[in-house]
Amino acid sequence: EAGVVQSPRYKIIEKKQPVAFWCNPISGHNTLYWYRQNLGQGPELLIRYENEEAVDDSQLPKDRFSAERLKGVDSTLKIQPAELGDSAVYLCASSLVRVGEQFFGPGTRLTVL
Amino acid sequence: DQQVKQNSPSLSVQEGRISILNCDYTNSMFDYFLWYKKYPAEGPTFLISISSIKDKNEDGRFTVFLNKSAKHLSLHIVPSQPGDSAVYFCAASPDNAGNNRKLIWGLGTSLAVNP
Repeated sequence: EAGVVQSPRYKIIEKKQPVAFWCNPISGHNTLYWYRQNLGQGPELLIRYENEEAVDDSQLPKDRFSAERLKGVDSTLKIQPAELGDSAVYLCASSLVRVGEQFFGPGTRLTVL
Repeated sequence: DQQVKQNSPSLSVQEGRISILNCDYTNSMFDYFLWYKKYPAEGPTFLISISSIKDKNEDGRFTVFLNKSAKHLSLHIVPSQPGDSAVYFCAASPDNAGNNRKLIWGLGTSLAVNP
């Protein structure tokens, strides 16, 4: 069974540039999560989708971050414009509704110069 | 304010011995707890979980103990192997029935198992 796929794995951009991350969850997983993880920290939830509906985006900085999951399968997270403080690993995870564990992708390491 | 606390940033253990990783929480509404393991350049991998109706859950070499009155849980790895060297995250959820859609994470403990 294929796991959660994320691309790109690494991205280096200059501040004020836009950037996008893509995630394809495990087939059949209704719930999709985007997390941000800074060095030495645990993952911080940015947004959670149930199918195509964003049910928790309270931690998403909406002035510069946006996300979509149009067909309830894969998802894109965008930052525009990026700031130096956005440098982090962006993790995507998915889970079956009402099942405990979340399955994580390898993450995208973003460096903003 | 950190609701899930892993007070030991690192731990070093000899191969074959027991590794004990600790986690404390402050929110009494948490009733489902998970441990994840993370290798460098990979996403976290689910390891083991425990519901608040239990005080112990075991899976092979991994056992999680929950002390609700102390708001404390621990992960025991016996025997420890070099491949267990990773960062271990404790996470908690305020949902019940194993519905861990919202997880609150600790900062992680880096475990090194020495051959």
